[in-house]
Amino acid sequence: DVKVTQSSRYLVKRTGEKVFLECVQDMDHENMFWYRQDPGLGLRLIYFSYDVKMKEKGDIPEGYSVSREKKERFSLILESASTNQTSMYLCASMGVSYEQYFGPGTRLTVT
Amino acid sequence: QKEVEQNSGPLSVPEGAIASLNCTYSDRVSQSFFWYRQYSGKSPELIMSIYSNGDKEDGRFTAQLNKASQYVSLLIRDSQPSDSATYLCAVNSGATNKLIFGTGTLLAVQP
Repeated sequence: DVKVTQSSRYLVKRTGEKVFLECVQDMDHENMFWYRQDPGLGLRLIYFSYDVKMKEKGDIPEGYSVSREKKERFSLILESASTNQTSMYLCASMGVSYEQYFGPGTRLTVT
Repeated sequence: QKEVEQNSGPLSVPEGAIASLNCTYSDRVSQSFFWYRQYSGKSPELIMSIYSNGDKEDGRFTAQLNKASQYVSLLIRDSQPSDSATYLCAVNSGATNKLIFGTGTLLAVQP
C-alpha cells in the first residue's frame, strides 16, 4: 500500500509566522503535489514537483513556496502566514497511471 | 480552462438502493479518470480508476466511462450508511501530470 504522511494533523500559527508543512511518501514516486481545500472551492493546486529539485506552480502559488531536496519528501512553506491561508492542506503522490494518493491532511489555522 | 463538473448534491438514497454519481469533463484528450471518496474532515481516498470506455466493476462499485460524451459515472450498489461521503471525480489533464478535480457530490444514504 502507498503511504503518504504529513508532519502534522493540526497546526495553529500566528499571522506573519513562517510555516513548514512536510510530506513524505514511501513509493519512490516522481510526482508530488500540494493542494488546499476550502468549503465550496474544492481542491486547488498550489505547487507540484515532478522530480528532485524540480517544481511547477499550480493554480494558486501566491504566498507559498516549496522544496524537494529528496525524492520522498516534498515541503510546503508559507513565507509569512496570513489569515486567508487558514485551510486544509493536502499532499498527494502520483503513481505510474496518474492516480494520486493523498496524505491525511493538515488543518492549519492562522490567527 | 479545463473543467470537471459534478452536481454538488446532496444526493439522498435509501439504504440498499443504487446511488448514481455523475461527472462531465471538458478536455477531450483526457485518458485517465478517477473517483475518490472523502469523509467529512478526512482526506480523499482513491476508490476507482478507469481508462477505457465501458464499465469497470470492483465489489459494489462500478465506474462507467463514455469518452464520446465526455462523461464518467460511479454506481454504488446496495448503498450503506457508511457510503455517506463526498465523492470527487478527477480527470487527468491530457498535456500534464496534473489531475483536475470536480467539487464533489455529497451522498447521504438514509438508514
